[in-house]
Amino acid sequence: EAGVTQSPTHLIKTRGQQATLRCSPISGHTSVYWYQQALGLGLQFLLWYDEGEERNRGNFPPRFSGRQFPNYSSELNVNALELEDSALYLCATVDSGEQYFGPGTRLTVT
Amino acid sequence: GEDVEQSLFLSVREGDSSVINCTYTDSSSTYLYWYKQEPGAGLQLLTYIFSNMDMKQDQRLTVLLNKKDKHLSLRIADTQTGDSAIYFCAALDSSYKLIFGSGTRLLVRP
Repeated sequence: EAGVTQSPTHLIKTRGQQATLRCSPISGHTSVYWYQQALGLGLQFLLWYDEGEERNRGNFPPRFSGRQFPNYSSELNVNALELEDSALYLCATVDSGEQYFGPGTRLTVT
Repeated sequence: GEDVEQSLFLSVREGDSSVINCTYTDSSSTYLYWYKQEPGAGLQLLTYIFSNMDMKQDQRLTVLLNKKDKHLSLRIADTQTGDSAIYFCAALDSSYKLIFGSGTRLLVRP
């Protein structure tokens, strides 16, 4: 069974641009979580989607947004990119308490 | 809200046991997790424990949970050089998001 997949692996953008990151959950998992792992800041919860709805969001500005599609895949959009948005963005899906992570998208903002 | 803390660094000799410790603050956390992250990689779920358990063993891994002291530990028996990585403790908070510790870097010396 395929695990959580994310694309792209790497993304390089310049300040002010928009970035779109994608996540496909494990088959049958309906919840998708997004986390940011920035250097020196550890792993921070960003967003949680379940059954197409945003259920919770972390302490991030509104330019971080996303959505979940009917097939439960998800997109994370970051608008008006800032240098400090450079980080590894991880997506996770949940089954009976087990949270499985994808390999991440490394976003670099120059 | 939930706060999770870990020591930053642990160095052991190959073949010895490693014990990584973690404390958390929210006694209502239902699940507690251990993840492994190797350089440049995403998070690998190692094991997790439900809050009504005291101990869980899985091959070389033993998780101990002291609910009274809100203390979680991960013991790796017969530590190998391939175990060198960053280990994250995480607690599932009351709004179903993971709160991570800052990670413990484990260095296994040959």
